[in-house]
Amino acid sequence: DAGITQSPRHKVTETGTPVTLRCHQTENHRYMYWYRQDPGHGLRLIHYSYGVKDTDKGEVSDGYSVSRSKTEDFLLTLESATSSQTSVYFCAISKSGPPVQSSGANVLTFGAGSRLTVL
Amino acid sequence: LAKTTQPISMDSYEGQEVNITCSHNNIATNDYITWYQQFPSQGPRFIIQGYKTKVTNEVASLFIPADRKSSTLSLPRVSLSDTAVYYCLVGDLPDNNDMRFGAGTRLTVKP
Repeated sequence: DAGITQSPRHKVTETGTPVTLRCHQTENHRYMYWYRQDPGHGLRLIHYSYGVKDTDKGEVSDGYSVSRSKTEDFLLTLESATSSQTSVYFCAISKSGPPVQSSGANVLTFGAGSRLTVL
Repeated sequence: LAKTTQPISMDSYEGQEVNITCSHNNIATNDYITWYQQFPSQGPRFIIQGYKTKVTNEVASLFIPADRKSSTLSLPRVSLSDTAVYYCLVGDLPDNNDMRFGAGTRLTVKP
């Protein structure tokens, strides 16, 4: 997807190993998000960032940490991967935050996804 | 929190108009309603967004009644390539985790 890239796109790892997924954007958007998608659960928000070094938890943040040292990069880290973290991870970006002054300001643009398998 | 409810699945045929309704009874005053489309192995992509009444773009129309407790995505003359999962998202940007996706509606278009 234009302006947002995720790496790696596919990764297989073993239980207990650390894993870092990277999201890189070239849109200079303020907000960045990490979602996971699992069958039967749809998209669930893990963490999000509203600026450099400003992050907050989503609904499924346990076992994950994030960092944002630059506007363009948002890292998702699994300190010790577990099989329950096998999933497809999507990064998203949006232009601005609340209050929404105009339509379109909070539209999400998603990356292509990172498929993680924890054995 | 603006939780949404959509039908799990819908079937249609090529050339028909498809209407997908999303319920969001506790929508807040500042909340916009946004619809996304997701194909297999891809991230969701924006379709349309609205606040009230009707919004139309080159892809779809969005109908929102006066009480804003529901919204209807209308896809005119669907084709096989419209087979996808459609998500209704209600909320301002993250504020106490308001940006939640529901399970979506899986639309299957048949020839």
